[in-house]
Amino acid sequence: RKEVEQDPGPFNVPEGATVAFNCTYSNSASQSFFWYRQDCRKEPKLLMSVYSSGNEDGRFTAQLNRASQYISLLIRDSKLSDSATYLCVVNRGTGNQFYFGTGTSLTVIP
Amino acid sequence: DGGITQSPKYLFRKEGQNVTLSCEQNLNHDAMYWYRQDPGQGLRLIYYSQIVNDFQKGDIAEGYSVSREKKESFPLTVTSAQKNPTAFYLCASSWDRYYGYTFGSGTRLTVV
Repeated sequence: RKEVEQDPGPFNVPEGATVAFNCTYSNSASQSFFWYRQDCRKEPKLLMSVYSSGNEDGRFTAQLNRASQYISLLIRDSKLSDSATYLCVVNRGTGNQFYFGTGTSLTVIP
Repeated sequence: DGGITQSPKYLFRKEGQNVTLSCEQNLNHDAMYWYRQDPGQGLRLIYYSQIVNDFQKGDIAEGYSVSREKKESFPLTVTSAQKNPTAFYLCASSWDRYYGYTFGSGTRLTVV
C-alpha cells in the first residue's frame, strides 16, 4: 500500500463548480498534513495546512479525519486559475520528512 | 525576499558524466531536502539534512551524493552511477514538520 494515495483524476469542472479531492494515508503516527498546488512544470507551493478541526481559506476548505486516515480539500466557486495539480502531503510521523501523493489534476473549464 | 534558489534551471548531462545541482536558501531553515519528480509519480526523497555537516539517505539515494558544509547550501551531485537521471529535481527547506516545505523552482535534468 502506498503511504499516500490520491485519485489522479483528471477532474474537469466548469467555472463556478464545487469540487472535492480526497487523500488517504497509511501511517497512523503522521502528525502534520498539507495540501500543495503544483502548476505545470513548476515547483509545488503550499496551499494550506490541514488541522483536525478543519480550516478554511476563502474558497478552500481542508478537513482531516484521523480515525479514517484521510484528508480532503474542497474548492468552491472554481476559477480558471484553480487549474493545477493538487498534492496531498503527510509527514512521516517522526522527523521532518514527508510523503507526497502523486497529485490530482484539476482543469476548470470556461 | 527570503527563499530558495536552485540553479541551473535546465541541465543536460552526457552519459557517464557527473553533474552538480545547486541549492541555496536564505530562510535560516535548519532542514534541507532533495526530491526527484518523474511524470505521473509523486515526489521521491533522495537525501535530506537536518543540520550542517550531517545528512541522511532518503528513499532513492543510489547514484546521488550531497554535502552540507554551510547551513544555506545543500548541493546535489548526480553521478554516473545513476542510470536514469532524467527528471525534475526539487530542493526544499523547512523549519519543522508543522510548517511544511518551501521549494526552490527546480532543475530539469536531461541525459543526452
